[in-house]
Amino acid sequence: DAKTTQPTSMDCAEGRAANLPCNHSTISGNEYVYWYRQIHSQGPQYIIHGLKNNETNEMASLIITEDRKSSTLILPHATLRDTAVYYCIVRVVYYSGGGADGLTFGKGTHLIIQP
Amino acid sequence: NAGVTQTPKFQVLKTGQSMTLQCAQDMNHEYMSWYRQDPGMGLRLIHYSVGAGITDQGEVPNGYNVSRSTTEDFPLRLLSAAPSQTSVYFCASSSISAPGANVLTFGAGSRLTVL
Repeated sequence: DAKTTQPTSMDCAEGRAANLPCNHSTISGNEYVYWYRQIHSQGPQYIIHGLKNNETNEMASLIITEDRKSSTLILPHATLRDTAVYYCIVRVVYYSGGGADGLTFGKGTHLIIQP
Repeated sequence: NAGVTQTPKFQVLKTGQSMTLQCAQDMNHEYMSWYRQDPGMGLRLIHYSVGAGITDQGEVPNGYNVSRSTTEDFPLRLLSAAPSQTSVYFCASSSISAPGANVLTFGAGSRLTVL
């Protein structure tokens, strides 16, 4: 799986859009970008994923650059409940059975929403 | 629809004791996995399964056993607990094929302390 790089922490004012960047310069053509978040002490929560087109759901939008080497997760109107660690993960969309077959969660970005 | 249910939520063991962390899902997911999360660190994959009767090792399998006799259940066994196994354990499940592959549903976690 391709390596990802995310800032350690970010602040955002409540009500503003939170833009979380992720670099994945070694991404392969068949690898998707996945975003998860983990609110303190809870299990991680899936947010969104995409291959090359921009994606939007009820939680967030995912913008992937044309060369697919980076992406941005956008929370359009951040609330205090969005304070969490956000993980960007790159992986193929199947399980190969080749060992250690699963998502690799790095350190992520600690997003703090300020009142 | 309960999702992924983990029991117990909290457990204290003495060194050398054995125990089983239970994980059950009601979404008919083929893929199930166990992660551990230590303070200030990301999640690390312990074991996973892509279907009943099939299990494989993740990144940190030593000291843990798993089995998958049904689609719904994926218990994690600690045969002889050690203080290094003090951690929060998360069970997760997903489909194994697109579009659901890698869209993990996590349980609420089991906090284990080994004295």
